[in-house]
Amino acid sequence: ETGVTQSPTHLIKTRGQQVTLRCSSQSGHNTVSWYQQALGQGPQFIFQYYREEENGRGNFPPRFSGLQFPNYSSELNVNALELDDSALYLCASSSPDQGGAQYFGPGTRLLVL
Amino acid sequence: QQQVKQSPQSLIVQKGGISIINCAYENTAFDYFPWYQQFPGKGPALLIAIRPDVSEKKEGRFTISFNKSAKQFSLHIMDSQPGDSATYFCAALSGYQKVTFGTGTKLQVIP
Repeated sequence: ETGVTQSPTHLIKTRGQQVTLRCSSQSGHNTVSWYQQALGQGPQFIFQYYREEENGRGNFPPRFSGLQFPNYSSELNVNALELDDSALYLCASSSPDQGGAQYFGPGTRLLVL
Repeated sequence: QQQVKQSPQSLIVQKGGISIINCAYENTAFDYFPWYQQFPGKGPALLIAIRPDVSEKKEGRFTISFNKSAKQFSLHIMDSQPGDSATYFCAALSGYQKVTFGTGTKLQVIP
């Protein structure tokens, strides 16, 4: 069984740029959720995708957007990067028929200069 | 809005001792309560989870105690080991599986 993978592992961007982060879900999971974790904080929910549709969104502006593909992998796009976007971005996969357990990937560390 | 409150913020325990982390929630719609363990630079790893119809769940050295009427739950780590040193997050889910995390507890187990 393959776990959740994310790419890239680290990324440095400058303010105003755009970034795309990628996630491959665990085998058999059709739901992907994205979280932002600032240093020393708990993860904050950005949004969730279920069968290629957005299925819930947290308190993040529209410049945070996403996609889910037919193979259930997912992308997180952030436009007009701000310094406060510097964080660890986590992807988690799950399946509704497995009762709520979400399995996290290793994350992408984004630094905005 | 902090819907899951976690304490303590940090904890130091001697090797072999019991580590106890407490959480309280407000939203009665929550129906799944996982605990995650996170090492520096890594993603959170699911440790153990419980549903509100059960008062206790044990897996190895890890036990969740759940008090539905008080809206509180706790993690007990028995025989704590230096390898358990990590940040622990309680969490809660409802509906579409958005995970609401607590603020985290940094556990240090000293030899």
